[in-house]
Amino acid sequence: GAGVSQSPRYKVAKRGQDVALRCDPISGHVSLFWYQQALGQGPEFLTYFQNEAQLDKSGLPSDRFFAERPEGSVSTLKIQRTQQEDSAVYLCASSLVWVRNTEAFFGQGTRLTVV
Amino acid sequence: GENVEQHPSTLSVQEGDSAVIKCTYSDSASNYFPWYKQELGKRPQLIIDIRSNVGEKKDQRIAVTLNKTAKHFSLHITETQPEDSAVYFCAVYLGGYQKVTFGTGTKLQVIP
Repeated sequence: GAGVSQSPRYKVAKRGQDVALRCDPISGHVSLFWYQQALGQGPEFLTYFQNEAQLDKSGLPSDRFFAERPEGSVSTLKIQRTQQEDSAVYLCASSLVWVRNTEAFFGQGTRLTVV
Repeated sequence: GENVEQHPSTLSVQEGDSAVIKCTYSDSASNYFPWYKQELGKRPQLIIDIRSNVGEKKDQRIAVTLNKTAKHFSLHITETQPEDSAVYFCAVYLGGYQKVTFGTGTKLQVIP
């Protein structure tokens, strides 16, 4: 596709339910990032992949959060036993190569609401 | 880690006036500073960026200035229009890969 695609756009989960959020980066993009954006706040870094390797997961808020990118393209962010504080927009971004100062393109995000 | 502060948090201007948003950062090794515009319910989109070897960059009505010594950079929008209304985020790139640290955002309202 022409841009970064995320699905679903909206997800309502009952507290304690597991969810999986999908990100399709721009074809050929090596780097992939996940961010969490709470209402009225800036995006907060969660994790980073270079191809299939997860190089940094320091932003994941707890061990309930897990991300993978097994074939170096599509990535999935999984949240286990969701809590109300997990409610946020989850943004995925990709960029072309593993160098500094390269533009990252964002998807439209998945809005997760935990009730 | 990197600490990015952004001010003001909200900004209202009359159509045609200028708007200025400022960000400061803590890590002097940072060397790429993009600005993103996010309309309600939409993705952040890059509007302008600046690298550390440049002090100013301009693109039509939008400009960014960088003061590396003081570790701050600013977004300037001239001749504002209603469609400029959005939330603007500054960002700082840190590290050998693109771990982006975002500011807290500025909600700009342009009043017709």
